[in-house]
Amino acid sequence: GESVGLHLPTLSVQEGDNSIINCAYSNSASDYFIWYKQESGKGPQFIIDIRSNMDKRQGQRVTVLLNKTVKHLSLQIAATQPGDSAVYFCAESNFGNEKLTFGTGTRLTIIP
Amino acid sequence: DTAVSQTPKYLVTQMGNDKSIKCEQNLGHDTMYWYKQDSKKFLKIMFSYNNKELIINETVPNRFSPKSPDKAHLNLHINSLELGDSAVYFCASSLDRGNQPQHFGDGTRLSIL
Repeated sequence: GESVGLHLPTLSVQEGDNSIINCAYSNSASDYFIWYKQESGKGPQFIIDIRSNMDKRQGQRVTVLLNKTVKHLSLQIAATQPGDSAVYFCAESNFGNEKLTFGTGTRLTIIP
Repeated sequence: DTAVSQTPKYLVTQMGNDKSIKCEQNLGHDTMYWYKQDSKKFLKIMFSYNNKELIINETVPNRFSPKSPDKAHLNLHINSLELGDSAVYFCASSLDRGNQPQHFGDGTRLSIL
């Protein structure tokens, strides 16, 4: 079946450094990918999304890279701040499926 | 103004009881969802409604019954609660069905004693 997984369950990064969170997916039919940030006690918050006709998309301090050849997705956060500490989820779907399948999440901790 | 709001935020009840969780969105979205997040933070879709019509119904026990009185509301009723139902339940909405961002509420933490 389809699955979305993360390479690392936890990641610690020095404040001010860049963070890279990775995600692997297995469904070659996936054509939509999205990253969410979840802080303690809150719901997932949309960060950025990308469709399969693109390989890179930038937002404010964040960049998502998509490598369809190896079915890999990454989220880069520039100049990480204490407020970036959270659990980050990738999710994927395809048009025929109409549902988001979430990965297991990576906990990002920013070290002051 | 809260975009997707759920009530209650916490729900503690005994096994065998029936309970409801309410969700409302003021974003003008057509599609709403219920997700379950377990203790390991795994998020899984349960149901989705588009304009009050059920479009996704995952393998969920029929003790769970969603109801959408209008497209701004999607409630979740759970009968005969079991210990395994303990989780955080999230409501979400999106502009329309298909591939687009979903906006989540802050969850309802359900604890079964």
